[in-house]
Amino acid sequence: EAEVAQSPRYKITEKSQAVAFWCDPISGHATLYWYRQILGQGPELLVQFQDESVVDDSQLPKDRFSAERLKGVDSTLKIQPAELGDSAMYLCASSFGGVTEAFFGQGTRLTVV
Amino acid sequence: GDSVTQMEGPVTLSEEACLTINCTYTATGYPSLFWYVQYPGEGLQLLLKATKADDKGSNKGFEATYRKETTSFHLEKGSVQVSDSAVYFCALPLYNQGGKLIFGQGTELSVKP
Repeated sequence: EAEVAQSPRYKITEKSQAVAFWCDPISGHATLYWYRQILGQGPELLVQFQDESVVDDSQLPKDRFSAERLKGVDSTLKIQPAELGDSAMYLCASSFGGVTEAFFGQGTRLTVV
Repeated sequence: GDSVTQMEGPVTLSEEACLTINCTYTATGYPSLFWYVQYPGEGLQLLLKATKADDKGSNKGFEATYRKETTSFHLEKGSVQVSDSAVYFCALPLYNQGGKLIFGQGTELSVKP
C-alpha cells in the first residue's frame, strides 16, 4: 500500500540550530501539505504545494521557516534558527488535489532544547 | 468563516461500550467531511469520509452520517475495543483553498478492558 514517507521520525535540536524535515508523497499526488501539530491540538497548515508551486503559505513563519518542492515530488521543510516554541509534530500529507482525502505520513516529532 | 467543533475529551469507556463523538461544522456550500484517527506517536489515518448530505461513511465498525440539516457528522461505534484508544479528529476540506483541511481540536478516547 502506498504511503507518505517522512524522515526523521524524531529530532532533538538545540535552540538556534537549523533543522530540516523531508517528505516523499504518494506517487501521483500533485498536492503536498505540511502541517504542524502542537501537543493536544489539531494539525494546522503551514504550507501547501500544487506540484512545485506554493499555493498557501499564509501561516508559515517566513522569517525562520522555508519549504521547497523543487521537482514537484518530494519536499523539504527547514527551520533556521529553531526556537523552543517550535517543538511539535510536523506532519506531511499528500492528495490528488481538490477536496479529495489527504494521506498523512507518520510525522516528525521535533523537540527544541 | 469555515470551522469544525468537536466535543471535548478525554472520553473513557469500558470495552464493548457504545461511543459517540460529536462534530459540527460551519461551511459555505456542501463540503466533504472526514474523520481521522491518530494513534499515540503516529500520524493521522483516514478513518472514514462522506462526500454529500445523507451519506454514511463507515470503516472498522465506526460510522458517521453527514447531516446537512444539523450541520453535523457525529462518529459512532456500537462496541469499542481497547485497540480503539486513540485521538479522533473531525476534518473539513476547504473548496476555495485547494482542499486545505480544517480540523477540530480532537477527542481523546481511552478504552479500558
